[in-house]
Amino acid sequence: GAGVSQSPRYKVAKRGQDVALRCDPISGHVSLFWYQQALGQGPEFLTYFQNEAQLDKSGLPSDRFFAERPEGSVSTLKIQRTQQEDSAVYLCASTPLAGGMGEQFFGPGTRLTVL
Amino acid sequence: AQKVTQAQTEISVVEKEDVTLDCVYETRDTTYYLFWYKQPPSGELVFLIRRNSFDEQNEISGRYSWNFQKSTSSFNFTITASQVVDSAVYFCALSELNTGTASKLTFGTGTRLQVTL
Repeated sequence: GAGVSQSPRYKVAKRGQDVALRCDPISGHVSLFWYQQALGQGPEFLTYFQNEAQLDKSGLPSDRFFAERPEGSVSTLKIQRTQQEDSAVYLCASTPLAGGMGEQFFGPGTRLTVL
Repeated sequence: AQKVTQAQTEISVVEKEDVTLDCVYETRDTTYYLFWYKQPPSGELVFLIRRNSFDEQNEISGRYSWNFQKSTSSFNFTITASQVVDSAVYFCALSELNTGTASKLTFGTGTRLQVTL
């Protein structure tokens, strides 16, 4: 497909488990964003990649959150030792331009539930 | 810091009614973009419109129209003759044009629109 894809769509984890969420951006898109959307809230910025470089990680809530994009395409958001407050939908978005300018194309999200 | 406020948490209308969703924003920058996104029950955010801070012309696209007023820092969205398929959560968002950093989106808390027959 031509859009942003994310996997898994749903993830249930026990508290303390590590999880890895995957994002496949639109081919050729330079910029990639991760957002966290808590229930009933708007998405909140987590981190930004320009190609393989993580240029902004100011939104990551703790050092348990880690993101990478080693080859400048697919990105993985990893959460270590998950806590109940990590339960949210994690959204990935990409844009063709550096700096994330312009319309951000969003994936369907991964809904994480931590028990 | 930038902020977006959507004071209407939930709106319910009957089909064919017009409805306006309010958005008020705060930013220190003179150059920025404003957006509206639709989030249907499937969860995916669907882009509706982008406006830059230098373009205050109102825009109409089919049943959708947007009113941007810098004087009141508002970017309101009107749906004319609403339909059941318009039922969704609508988000207003702001992006500042920073050089050297990402133009990340700051979202409001969303307005849930319910259109009934």
